[in-house]
Amino acid sequence: NAGVMQNPRHLVRRRGQEARLRCSPMKGHSHVYWYRQLPEEGLKFMVYLQKENIIDESGMPKERFSAEFPKEGPSILRIQQVVRGDSAAYFCASSPWDTSSNTDTQYFGPGTRLTVL
Amino acid sequence: QKEVEQNSGPLSVPEGAIASLNCTYSDRVSQSFFWYRQYSGKSPELIMSIYSNGDKEDGRFTAQLNKASQYVSLLIRDSQPSDSATYLCAVMEGSNDYKLSFGAGTTVTVRA
Repeated sequence: NAGVMQNPRHLVRRRGQEARLRCSPMKGHSHVYWYRQLPEEGLKFMVYLQKENIIDESGMPKERFSAEFPKEGPSILRIQQVVRGDSAAYFCASSPWDTSSNTDTQYFGPGTRLTVL
Repeated sequence: QKEVEQNSGPLSVPEGAIASLNCTYSDRVSQSFFWYRQYSGKSPELIMSIYSNGDKEDGRFTAQLNKASQYVSLLIRDSQPSDSATYLCAVMEGSNDYKLSFGAGTTVTVRA
């Protein structure tokens, strides 16, 4: 059973370019979460999506950042006009929503390490 | 995001010893708590989840939860060099059941 998949694993962009990060959840999982980990800092929640719906984007900067999880295909985190401060590891997690215990264990992908030159 | 505080590291323990990691959280209504292990340059890997007060054991790992004190801990018994990693405490917000707040992590080094 394949885990959460993310690509690319490493992405280098120059200031002002666009970055597109992709995430395919584990098989059977319909909930996707994006987190950002800045150097020497903890993981910070960015956005929570279900298929075709953004449930909570309260952790995502209002400008330049957007996320989607279409009916078909992976979830996409898009960063427009990247700046050096966007350099970080971006992790995607997925969960199945365990209704039997009403908890939501999240499993993380390998991450995309974005470097902005 | 709610606050999650972990004891500052790094924590260095000899092989075979017990490593003790502590975490406090600010959200009084949180019900779900997790410990993740993160090797350098890698992604967080779930070690343990705990939802009820008391102890929960899984192999060499024991998680302890005290909701009244807003405190959760992780004990690693018989520490091995392969346990050397950063351990992240994560607390799910009680108001929404999906948003994880992470501590900054405690780096553990097990000396052979």
